[in-house]
Amino acid sequence: EAGVAQSPRYKIIEKRQSVAFWCNPISGHATLYWYQQILGQGPKLLIQFQNNGVVDDSQLPKDRFSAERLKGVDSTLKIQPAKLEDSAVYLCASSLIGTKAAGANVLTFGAGSRLTVL
Amino acid sequence: TQLLEQSPQFLSIQEGENLTVYCNSSSVFSSLQWYRQEPGEGPVLLVTVVTGGEVKKLKRLTFQFGDARKDSSLHITAAQTGDTGLYLCAGARAGGTSYGKLTFGQGTILTVHP
Repeated sequence: EAGVAQSPRYKIIEKRQSVAFWCNPISGHATLYWYQQILGQGPKLLIQFQNNGVVDDSQLPKDRFSAERLKGVDSTLKIQPAKLEDSAVYLCASSLIGTKAAGANVLTFGAGSRLTVL
Repeated sequence: TQLLEQSPQFLSIQEGENLTVYCNSSSVFSSLQWYRQEPGEGPVLLVTVVTGGEVKKLKRLTFQFGDARKDSSLHITAAQTGDTGLYLCAGARAGGTSYGKLTFGQGTILTVHP
């Protein structure tokens, strides 16, 4: 089974520039997540999609961050304009959203896209 | 507000030693997961615990979920250099639109020296 694909792996930009990250989840996974992981910290959820609808974007800085999953498969996360504090690894994950009886939801993560803002 | 507190944040030990990492919260979780992350990679799931008091063993790793489902621990016996990495706990809330949403702790960086 192919894993979660992300690109680019690395990106260096100057502040106020824009950047876009792409994610292709595991085939058949209905739920897609974007996490931000700042160095030395755990991942923080930015946005969660169920198919092509947004389930949770409460922690997404909507003045500069946007994300879409138009066809319910792959997704794009955009930052415009970037700030120094956006330097982080952006992780995409996908899952088969389980039933309550299943007890837990298992996420498979991609390798991440490391962003450096100068 | 950090819902899940991990301790210690850093752990540096010699090969063959034992260690325990703790994950604590004031919130109740329907399930708790432990992940291991290596540099340049995404987190990889080690285990999921769903029942209060549950203990799971994975070779030299022992995971425990607290009776009240608010805390968990990871114990590694006879650590090896290959255990080096960032260990993350993540809790899931049940019900409503938050179902499936994982909240991560800040992680424990483990270094095992030969």
